Amino acid sequence: QVQLVQSGAEVKKPGSSVKVSCKASGRIFNTYAISWVRQAPGQGLEWMGGIVAIFRTANYAQRFQGRITITADESTNTAYIELSSLRSDDTAVYYCARHPGYHYESSHFDYWGQGTLVTVSS
Amino acid sequence: EIVLTQSPDTLSLSPGERATLSCRASQSISSSHLAWYQQKPGQAPRLLIFGASSRATGIPDRFSGSGSGTDFTLTISRLEPEDFALYYCQRYGSSPLTFGGGTKVEIK
Repeated sequence: QVQLVQSGAEVKKPGSSVKVSCKASGRIFNTYAISWVRQAPGQGLEWMGGIVAIFRTANYAQRFQGRITITADESTNTAYIELSSLRSDDTAVYYCARHPGYHYESSHFDYWGQGTLVTVSS
Repeated sequence: EIVLTQSPDTLSLSPGERATLSCRASQSISSSHLAWYQQKPGQAPRLLIFGASSRATGIPDRFSGSGSGTDFTLTISRLEPEDFALYYCQRYGSSPLTFGGGTKVEIK
């Protein structure tokens, strides 16, 4: 059974950065792609970006370009998302999710992390 | 960017009734690139259907998906108490991956 365990809740000031981790049970980053999806309070789901297995190249949704970085560390089976220049409307639950394929474009999400609440407030 | 529009926003039904949820795409998409998820309060989404009509592992057969082109449907044949939740459609195949706005299935 695949498990994705995310880091704990964060409270950040506007303008700062946050880094959320997603640790997988087992070696998955050489085989499966990972995406990050967020959900603002009471709102729907929004794809932020994904990272391709093996090559570990990342692509991001246009609206986050320039302030998002997604990485994966095979040695620790952990993926990360870092978001900078935080604003109040970045307050959301951030999910990592696995794709049952090596490229995030080619497949759905089959396993999800439990979510990490990031609150941006002065 | 391909926009997915789900309808209705809310579906009020009783246990045992049939639920029909719609997902319409702003342009034609491959039916192999459409998924449905269920989300309950405080929980991560759960995969129900992928490839428009394939049930994920462990999903009861009262859940079924259909459709092609721009129109897709999730049907729950007989609602069980645990089925009252939010449902999202999602497309993949090219970036950006997009979700519909969701349909809430609530108890009437």
